[in-house]
Amino acid sequence: AQRVTQPEKLLSVFKGAPVELKCNYSYSGSPELFWYVQYSRQRLQLLLRHISRESIKGFTADLNKGETSFHLKKPFAQEEDSAMYYCALSGQTSGSRLTFGEGTQLTVNP
Amino acid sequence: DAGVTQSPTHLIKTRGQHVTLRCSPISGHKSVSWYQQVLGQGPQFIFQYYEKEERGRGNFPDRFSARQFPNYSSELNVNALLLGDSALYLCASSSVGEGANEKLFFGSGTQLSVL
Repeated sequence: AQRVTQPEKLLSVFKGAPVELKCNYSYSGSPELFWYVQYSRQRLQLLLRHISRESIKGFTADLNKGETSFHLKKPFAQEEDSAMYYCALSGQTSGSRLTFGEGTQLTVNP
Repeated sequence: DAGVTQSPTHLIKTRGQHVTLRCSPISGHKSVSWYQQVLGQGPQFIFQYYEKEERGRGNFPDRFSARQFPNYSSELNVNALLLGDSALYLCASSSVGEGANEKLFFGSGTQLSVL
């Protein structure tokens, strides 16, 4: 069975501070990992995926297979980063079948 | 780009009734998947359809069914509604139906309340 755990439901930081949103997973094969974000009154959208090794809006995430983690990081948080963040996992052949974590609500205070 | 469109946006039903939710994918996208999001939780996979065929089913009872039409739009049907079916139902589309790292485009969802 595959599972995604986001241990923090709420996370609050000040503007300019570093932020790390934690994500741990369990999966028997080689997973594909994603971060999705939902800004206030907007629809859920892809933030980044590990295979692309990209940095979006200053966020990065590294897949650590030894620790089965895919934490999302940003060195300097901005107020516009306030949103709900979901970590998600897909098996290599399961396409659209994503397993989501419960989400972390990030608040960046001025 | 209209994005993924879902209708209706809100729906109120009573226990035992039936409901049909509709989704139109982004033009050119052939895959549609459905997710249920209960308040306070992450989305949970219900179905995926690609080229009008079911490609995946989550852990939901047979009261849940879906189909995809030749124009790639999709319907999610839920029979014999229970209070626990109250949730936000999300539709997502993508350009391909298999393989990893598909980018899903989500609709705004249908908020279903069962009384």
